Amino acid sequence: DTAVSQTPKYLVTQMGNDKSIKCEQNLGHDTMYWYKQDSKKFLKIMFSYNNKELIINETVPNRFSPKSPDKAHLNLHINSLELGDSAVYFCASSQDLGFGQPQHFGDGTRLSIL
Amino acid sequence: GNSVTQMEGPVTLSEEAFLTINCTYTATGYPSLFWYVQYPGEGLQLLLKATKADDKGSNKGFEATYRKETTSFHLEKGSVQVSDSAVYFCALSDPKSSSNTGKLIFGQGTTLQVKP
Repeated sequence: DTAVSQTPKYLVTQMGNDKSIKCEQNLGHDTMYWYKQDSKKFLKIMFSYNNKELIINETVPNRFSPKSPDKAHLNLHINSLELGDSAVYFCASSQDLGFGQPQHFGDGTRLSIL
Repeated sequence: GNSVTQMEGPVTLSEEAFLTINCTYTATGYPSLFWYVQYPGEGLQLLLKATKADDKGSNKGFEATYRKETTSFHLEKGSVQVSDSAVYFCALSDPKSSSNTGKLIFGQGTTLQVKP
């Protein structure tokens, strides 16, 4: 069973479109995250949620809107896509917000903007 | 602020060679330290961790020792295999900035290529 699953794996779309990426974890974790990985493999946190509550919003443009319908799901909706949004987006989860918790990652969604 | 610095890649080795990937950190508190590995086309997987000074994390033949005096957490393996080819990320969780946020700070990643 996949612990953290994201869909779709690949997303190719045109500038200006709106798209969503879904994430689900079956680990029973309280906390979920979204990361962006650029072409140089640099990984930056975007959001974290704990029990459906927003904890971190790392100065991400408000075109990006996370939604957590329950603690097992954290979806990412992106409006008015721009060329600079092309990247790999990773969802992750951890047991809770406790210090030093390891995070479990999905396989990523590769977003390409034409 | 908190930061993690890794050696530039790619690192290219022959099979059975000794591996070292350097990682140094800056933190305001006493962080926990992690190494994650990303195989091609996959997400990051936790490789090992250490939570306090002089701790040694180990897994799959890899090991790293938390050195507070040099603020380092270098990754080593005695004999690499082709299957170890991946991107390796060093990361920290600082109690002063991570408590109640779960935030990890990642290094820029180091690509390892192992040739047969």
